[in-house]
Amino acid sequence: DTGVSQDPRHKITKRGQNVTFRCDPISEHNRLYWYRQTLGQGPEFLTYFQNEAQLEKSRLLSDRFSAERPKGSFSTLEIQRTEQGDSAMYLCASSLTGNSPLHFGNGTRLTVT
Amino acid sequence: AQSVTQLDSQVPVFEEAPVELRCNYSSSVSVYLFWYVQYPNQGLQLLLKYLSGSTLVESINGFEAEFNKSQTSFHLRKPSVHISDTAEYFCAVISQGGSEKLVFGKGTKLTVNP
Repeated sequence: DTGVSQDPRHKITKRGQNVTFRCDPISEHNRLYWYRQTLGQGPEFLTYFQNEAQLEKSRLLSDRFSAERPKGSFSTLEIQRTEQGDSAMYLCASSLTGNSPLHFGNGTRLTVT
Repeated sequence: AQSVTQLDSQVPVFEEAPVELRCNYSSSVSVYLFWYVQYPNQGLQLLLKYLSGSTLVESINGFEAEFNKSQTSFHLRKPSVHISDTAEYFCAVISQGGSEKLVFGKGTKLTVNP
């Protein structure tokens, strides 16, 4: 068990640019989740996958956000035309089954200038 | 839909004092409950969970939480805290069946002072 890994750890981008984050879950976990956390708030759910199927998306996930998990292993989260309000920590988590505890990565901190 | 309220955003205590971090939830269906901890500059780690059975659950580092269905609460307690317990603590809930979305509270920052 090597844990959930996220890349990059930090990303600074200018407003209007596109960014992509990667998440590698624990290998036997078929659920993969994306959350966003801003200062002083708890993690907010964005979306989750069971294998390669995206099963639920939050209303927070605007049209500028897209997530994929093409082979049911790693996942990517892309933000197009970034805005300053997108600045946050983006967390990925995985779990073995639907109600198993989530295992979180260390997150990708996005700063939009 | 589920929601979680953590009643205290910050809790300062002295070392070796007892502490209680409060968590209340709202749900129209039965739920599973979790406490996660986030140490400075680290990711979220599971502290303890309630899935079924005994309503009192314990962690390996001395924390415990009690599920109270009638009061829809899942408060976290420790009888004697250490400096190393300084962290942010998040209560979270997920419905039994239905959506697999884990819903978090806003967190309680516990600061243990010498």
